Amino acid sequence: DTGVSQDPRHKITKRGQNVTFRCDPISEHNRLYWYRQTLGQGPEFLTYFQNEAQLEKSRLLSDRFSAERPKGSFSTLEIQRTEQGDSAMYLCASSRTVSEDIQYFGAGTRLSVL
Amino acid sequence: ELKVEQNPLFLSMQEGKNYTIYCNYSTTSDRLYWYRQDPGKSLESLFVLLSNGAVKQEGRLMASLDTKARLSTLHITAAVHDLSATYFCAFSNTGNQFYFGTGTSLTVIP
Repeated sequence: DTGVSQDPRHKITKRGQNVTFRCDPISEHNRLYWYRQTLGQGPEFLTYFQNEAQLEKSRLLSDRFSAERPKGSFSTLEIQRTEQGDSAMYLCASSRTVSEDIQYFGAGTRLSVL
Repeated sequence: ELKVEQNPLFLSMQEGKNYTIYCNYSTTSDRLYWYRQDPGKSLESLFVLLSNGAVKQEGRLMASLDTKARLSTLHITAAVHDLSATYFCAFSNTGNQFYFGTGTSLTVIP
């Protein structure tokens, strides 16, 4: 499978715990995006990497959220001290640096905070 | 405020009929995207529109862009059941942030 892969697919956690998600982009893609999607809504932009550099971060993103992309390959998204409002689908997408910048999405990680 | 408005939010249409989904966005953008999402699945890219007057077609779907009106349309011709899905439009600003609409949930009925 040469698409974007995300792990785990589902995560159930208790409020206050920390969780970490992983995204492996398409190998030749140097751009990587994280989004959050709740039921009935469109994806909400969280952050963007070009290679290993985090170039954009949503102003709405709490400081409990942090993302990394060491060596410009896979990326991790960590949520500290989870809250029930963090329950959502977390989507990763990758693209190449070309004019169209078409993003290819992974299947997502569904987080449930109890 | 940067936002994207789609209408209608819900669309039920009969097979064989035509319809248009509208997408208004709030600021200048050099790229407008349409995506499809099936229930429980991730998003699939349909079209990217890069300039004023751009039109792209794939099968029964045709997308267009009017940058002056900040409006994109997704036209469905002779709908079939397989087109049932949620359709999102999105635009990107110069900062590489992407803004998605709330989606149009399309159901095609026999």
